Amino acid sequence: DTAVSQTPKYLVTQMGNDKSIKCEQNLGHDTMYWYKQDSKKFLKIMFSYNNKELIINETVPNRFSPKSPDKAHLNLHINSLELGDSAVYFCASSYVGIQRESETQYFGPGTRLLVL
Amino acid sequence: AQSVSQHNHHVILSEAASLELGCNYSYGGTVNLFWYVQYPGQHLQLLLKYFSGDPLVKGIKGFEAEFIKSKFSFNLRKPSVQWSDTAEYFCAANDYKLSFGAGTTVTVRA
Repeated sequence: DTAVSQTPKYLVTQMGNDKSIKCEQNLGHDTMYWYKQDSKKFLKIMFSYNNKELIINETVPNRFSPKSPDKAHLNLHINSLELGDSAVYFCASSYVGIQRESETQYFGPGTRLLVL
Repeated sequence: AQSVSQHNHHVILSEAASLELGCNYSYGGTVNLFWYVQYPGQHLQLLLKYFSGDPLVKGIKGFEAEFIKSKFSFNLRKPSVQWSDTAEYFCAANDYKLSFGAGTTVTVRA
């Protein structure tokens, strides 16, 4: 009955590889997000999609490409992985709507990526 | 976008002590404010939120926060902590995107 789920939970890979992380929400939300949490636990937004449309695209290398096939899914593909990509990646979702009054974000369990 | 600052990097307490974590945000307009908690190895969970109305907000697990508009502050409090409150606490502010503070590590000693 998980609200926001991510796969995989752990990802260990070599530099230069390409990998994907998947996120799904069953809360009926219209907006989904990707965050990166670094080794100092600092959280920063990377991308946000509203109804499958990209609305926030922070300063993130082109190697990171989000894809939202529908409102309930937001995937993150990373090309040519680098050591500095090692982090915990969190997916989140919220209902934004028109009034923006209920914009509480709910987070997934995180994907711990380690690039060797 | 918001800038959120949390005053304490690491707080160490004994059980039953009172906890207060400071948080300040930068923008003076309409903003939604949140406190999230991250237990070791887990995801972020919402503790409480403020959108409007009563500036004293009660959340889960006995936490509360007070919104003081004139001070741009949203401090988190708990009168008596337990060992299980050991976690990372994040303050966040939302105008068009959610901006997080750097987090405060709270260690409660039994």
